[in-house]
Amino acid sequence: NAGVMQNPRHLVRRRGQEARLRCSPMKGHSHVYWYRQLPEEGLKFMVYLQKENIIDESGMPKERFSAEFPKEGPSILRIQQVVRGDSAAYFCASSPFYSLNTEAFFGQGTRLTVV
Amino acid sequence: KNQVEQSPQSLIILEGKNCTLQCNYTVSPFSNLRWYKQDTGRGPVSLTIMTFSENTKSNGRYTATLDADTKQSSLHITASQLSDSASYICVVSEEGTSYGKLTFGQGTILTVHP
Repeated sequence: NAGVMQNPRHLVRRRGQEARLRCSPMKGHSHVYWYRQLPEEGLKFMVYLQKENIIDESGMPKERFSAEFPKEGPSILRIQQVVRGDSAAYFCASSPFYSLNTEAFFGQGTRLTVV
Repeated sequence: KNQVEQSPQSLIILEGKNCTLQCNYTVSPFSNLRWYKQDTGRGPVSLTIMTFSENTKSNGRYTATLDADTKQSSLHITASQLSDSASYICVVSEEGTSYGKLTFGQGTILTVHP
């Protein structure tokens, strides 16, 4: 049973380009969470999704950022018109169901660098 | 504002020694507290998770304590190994919120020297 898979591991984009980050949850997990880790800072919640539904996107910037978790395929975090401040590590976690005490498993992250 | 503060920011110890990392939080109402280990360039890996009613939990050489009254937690590492070198992150969950809304501390960077 493979863990949470994120790709690419590293992504370089020029200012104004689009970045697409992918997350395949662990087998049997239908809940996905995205977090952002800025340099020298702790992880910050962005969005919580279940299959085909966004449950909580209160941590997502209002513009340029979007997330989806389709019925088939990985969850996608999309950043349009990237700016230098978007440079960060983006982590995805998954869990089999929602519970406050449920363990979630993290992927290895995608490091986005905007040049 | 919910906050999680960790100390020290960084720590260097010799292999075989013990160490204790601290975490203070202001998250309320409290649901649970977790300690994660994050190796450089990797995602966080769970070490322990404690609810309000638990005041200590062990996972091998890692022992976490929780004082919900003073809102403090500690992570004690016994007989450190070189592979313990990593960032240790304290994470607190707020009751009544979705799972994803965890508050993360900035982490303590532990370096174990031979």
